[in-house]
Amino acid sequence: DTGVSQDPRHKITKRGQNVTFRCDPISEHNRLYWYRQTLGQGPEFLTYFQNEAQLEKSRLLSDRFSAERPKGSFSTLEIQRTEQGDSAMYLCASSSATNEKLFFGSGTQLSVL
Amino acid sequence: QKEVEQDPGPLSVPEGAIVSLNCTYSNSAFQYFMWYRQYSRKGPELLMYTYSSGNKEDGRFTAQVDKSSKYISLFIRDSQPSDSATYLCAMSVDDYKLSFGAGTTVTVRA
Repeated sequence: DTGVSQDPRHKITKRGQNVTFRCDPISEHNRLYWYRQTLGQGPEFLTYFQNEAQLEKSRLLSDRFSAERPKGSFSTLEIQRTEQGDSAMYLCASSSATNEKLFFGSGTQLSVL
Repeated sequence: QKEVEQDPGPLSVPEGAIVSLNCTYSNSAFQYFMWYRQYSRKGPELLMYTYSSGNKEDGRFTAQVDKSSKYISLFIRDSQPSDSATYLCAMSVDDYKLSFGAGTTVTVRA
């Protein structure tokens, strides 16, 4: 068990570019979550998958954001036409259906210049 | 007003002291309560998990939940320099959408 893995760890991009992040959950976990954390704040919920189904999306997830989890395994989070306000740490977490505890990855730090 | 309030600190204590952290919340429907530890540039690490009210102890850590006062606490006994981190409280109504506090930065001085 290697824990939740996120790639890349850091991403620097120019405003207007598209970026994609990947998350590999703990292997036996069927639930996967994306959170966003800005400096000095706690993480904020973005979206949640159970297997391949995206069950809830936060109002924070604008039309420029899309998340997928094909085949219920890894997940990707894409941000189109990035804005400076998108700069944050994007955290992925996973849990099993029988245990509510969320385990987080180390995050992807996005900087939009 | 935020749903979860947490004093950001910073909190500085000498090694061996008891660290006391707390959060208040406004949503009476919260029933899952957690404390996470976060080191710089790392993801949050689950420390304590409590369902509903009561106390829970794990080694040097004790978590308390008082639903009647909408108040939760974390105590760290015999604090060590390695405990220096940001501590985040989190809570949820269901078991997946967590509401976090802003985090309290703790420094334990050797």
